[in-house]
Amino acid sequence: QVQLVESGGGVVQPGRSLRLSCAASGFTFNYYPFHWVRQAPGKGLEWVAIISYDGSKRYYADSVKGRFTISRDNSKNTLYLQVDSLRAEDTAVYYCARDPYYSSFYPQMDYYLDVWGKGTTVTVSS
Amino acid sequence: DIVMTQSPATLSVSPGERATLSCRASQSVSSNLAWYQQKPGQAPRLLIYGASSRATGIPARFSGSGSGTEFTLTISSLQSEDFALYYCQQYNNRPPVTFGQGTRLEIK
Repeated sequence: QVQLVESGGGVVQPGRSLRLSCAASGFTFNYYPFHWVRQAPGKGLEWVAIISYDGSKRYYADSVKGRFTISRDNSKNTLYLQVDSLRAEDTAVYYCARDPYYSSFYPQMDYYLDVWGKGTTVTVSS
Repeated sequence: DIVMTQSPATLSVSPGERATLSCRASQSVSSNLAWYQQKPGQAPRLLIYGASSRATGIPARFSGSGSGTEFTLTISSLQSEDFALYYCQQYNNRPPVTFGQGTRLEIK
């Protein structure tokens, strides 16, 4: 079945780095764009980043621009989020999610999210 | 960025009754509006996209309406599994996409 499984979260000190991963299965990974969305404890959803099917287009929320990097390895059916210079306000559950735009030709995105992983928790604390 | 405002923050409804959740955009988002359901400890689930199209596997009791700046999610006859958090999301002016702050639907 269609599935996204995140990993790589943990407890980290301010200023340090983590790499989050999202393993996809049950569908053709390399034809879809993907997002990262986060949710701070007890708070709402915050969009973080998006990457096109081929990695040629990447966009970020202002709150993470310059510190986070989204990438993908289509040979491994895996999405990544490199999170650097972590701050306390980055503490959240990080979800990967699929964008439903399906194409192997045009790096377009629909910008809503039709399949979600269960999330991985990042805690930034000294 | 477009600000999405959901109302009410909490809605108390009895099982079997109708629930109506509202979402307002700070500027027009056309019909580029999605609704998600989130249960405690779970990931969000897509319910509605394009303001009124049900996602795959979503029961017919869920319906969306609206365009421009005013949107509504209606659950026609509440089942026990429908009590959850609901978020709207605009994807017209992007990036970034923006979410509302959520409406908690609780049992009356």
